[in-house]
Amino acid sequence: GESVGLHLPTLSVQEGDNSIINCAYSNSASDYFIWYKQESGKGPQFIIDIRSNMDKRQGQRVTVLLNKTVKHLSLQIAATQPGDSAVYFCAETPTGGFKTIFGAGTRLFVKA
Amino acid sequence: DTAVSQTPKYLVTQMGNDKSIKCEQNLGHDTMYWYKQDSKKFLKIMFSYNNKELIINETVPNRFSPKSPDKAHLNLHINSLELGDSAVYFCASASVDTQYFGPGTRLTVL
Repeated sequence: GESVGLHLPTLSVQEGDNSIINCAYSNSASDYFIWYKQESGKGPQFIIDIRSNMDKRQGQRVTVLLNKTVKHLSLQIAATQPGDSAVYFCAETPTGGFKTIFGAGTRLFVKA
Repeated sequence: DTAVSQTPKYLVTQMGNDKSIKCEQNLGHDTMYWYKQDSKKFLKIMFSYNNKELIINETVPNRFSPKSPDKAHLNLHINSLELGDSAVYFCASASVDTQYFGPGTRLTVL
């Protein structure tokens, strides 16, 4: 069945280091992928997205990499800050679909 | 100005009661969603409406009934609340593919 999963449920990094959060997906029909950040007591917030015709997209301090061959998605956060501490979700949407499937989430701890 | 708002933020109630959660978005989006997030942070889609019409219903018990009076509102009514309904419920609205989430409603059923 369809699934979007994460390799690491919890990630702890030192402030200033780079963070990498990984995600595996299984639906080849998905062509749009999003990373969301959820802080404590808040709803998920859009961070960055990527379409299947790309393999890399950069934002401010964040980069998303897509490897369609192995159905793998990653989020890289440069110079991780305490404010980056949150749960991060990857999500996938099939072409023309309304249904977005969320992964299980990875909790990122940033140590000062 | 809050883009997607939900009320109430917290809801504590007894088993068997009926309750409603309201959601409003001021983004002009056509599509709105309800999600349930369990204690392990897993987000599961419940319903989706597009232009006030139901397009996704993910095998949710009949006790849950969404209502969309207009494109800017999607309310969730829950009948005969059960202990297992305790969770955080998120409303979201979408423009094309990107979803914008509300702050969530934490429902606790005693």
